[in-house]
Amino acid sequence: AQSVTQPDIHITVSEGASLELRCNYSYGATPYLFWYVQSPGQGLQLLLKYFSGDTLVQGIKGFEAEFKRSQSSFNLRKPSVHWSDAAEYFCAVGAKGGSEKLVFGKGTKLTVNP
Amino acid sequence: DVKVTQSSRYLVKRTGEKVFLECVQDMDHENMFWYRQDPGLGLRLIYFSYDVKMKEKGDIPEGYSVSREKKERFSLILESASTNQTSMYLCASSRVAGSYNEQFFGPGTRLTVL
Repeated sequence: AQSVTQPDIHITVSEGASLELRCNYSYGATPYLFWYVQSPGQGLQLLLKYFSGDTLVQGIKGFEAEFKRSQSSFNLRKPSVHWSDAAEYFCAVGAKGGSEKLVFGKGTKLTVNP
Repeated sequence: DVKVTQSSRYLVKRTGEKVFLECVQDMDHENMFWYRQDPGLGLRLIYFSYDVKMKEKGDIPEGYSVSREKKERFSLILESASTNQTSMYLCASSRVAGSYNEQFFGPGTRLTVL
């Protein structure tokens, strides 16, 4: 069965600083990988996704993520954080050829200081 | 623009009441999901439906039931609400073919049981 670990529960960065949110997954085959963002009181919005091919994927709002098979990681990055990026971020993994379900990490809450 | 809507953003009910949470999607998706979200626990799957009248238990189905009479609508039912069911409830949908399990989320219903 798949599993996802987001090691950081809460991260604080200054506006304009770079950001990296960590995600490690456990799955025997090639996974489908997603990052979602949730603003306070809202549903989840897809930031980006990886299915196959180029391991560096670009998403919305200037985010990117890199799939590293050797490290079982799919870390999310942004070169310069804006105050509006303050939110909770969820990594998720799906099974290629398997269940239709996704397994979500517990989330990382991002605080942006002015 | 694709859309998943939930009948209420906020709901307050009393212990023992029967509660219905409604979710509608306009994307002709086969799969629909109900999650509950609690701080520090991330998203936990309650029930999953892969077709009309078809359902599958998720990780935490106890105290909940579901109904899917039409493809676009998926209802979550709390037969006798309890205070430990106070939570944020999120509905999502996905299509089967070519979707790589990508899920689309509604805005959520914050349920308080007094």
